[in-house]
Amino acid sequence: NAGVTQTPKFQVLKTGQSMTLQCAQDMNHEYMSWYRQDPGMGLRLIHYSVGAGITDQGEVPNGYNVSRSTTEDFPLRLLSAAPSQTSVYFCASLGQGAHEQYFGPGTRLTVT
Amino acid sequence: GEDVEQSLFLSVREGDSSVINCTYTDSSSTYLYWYKQEPGAGLQLLTYIFSNMDMKQDQRLTVLLNKKDKHLSLRIADTQTGDSAIYFCAESPFSGGYNKLIFGAGTRLAVHP
Repeated sequence: NAGVTQTPKFQVLKTGQSMTLQCAQDMNHEYMSWYRQDPGMGLRLIHYSVGAGITDQGEVPNGYNVSRSTTEDFPLRLLSAAPSQTSVYFCASLGQGAHEQYFGPGTRLTVT
Repeated sequence: GEDVEQSLFLSVREGDSSVINCTYTDSSSTYLYWYKQEPGAGLQLLTYIFSNMDMKQDQRLTVLLNKKDKHLSLRIADTQTGDSAIYFCAESPFSGGYNKLIFGAGTRLAVHP
């Protein structure tokens, strides 16, 4: 199993550009989440999904969209990037009834 | 509101014990977690404790939970250089469904010879 994979590893965007961060898991997990990590702060939940076709907002959803058309994939879209979205983004997945969230290696995004 | 607080930095000598502390605010939290993050990597679950337990031991790791004071600690015995990392405390407020995690800011553990 590859676990949770994320692409790209690094990305630089200009203000106003759009892009999609990709996340995939091969563990057949129902739950998937996107977090952002900023210096001096813990991870904050952006959006999450409890299954294909079902998504919900987390703590900091503004400026981000998600969709979950398959169990495996959970892309995060930035519609119009802003410098405040400069961060490291982590995707995670969790099996139903389990406790261990599996995290991807992260995407480091810089918006200039 | 929900909040998790940790001290930001801890330095210990190799072979000593490390104790990382955490306080949380949501008394309804059912599970509390410790995650480890090595440089350039995602988070890895170290251990977790159910809220009706006081202590959990797993090899070199001991977790202590004081529900009255909402205080959680992680003790690492015989700390090694490979333990150098950022350690995150997280709580899982009861939601009846998906267990959203509320993370602390992380404690950076530096182990020196």
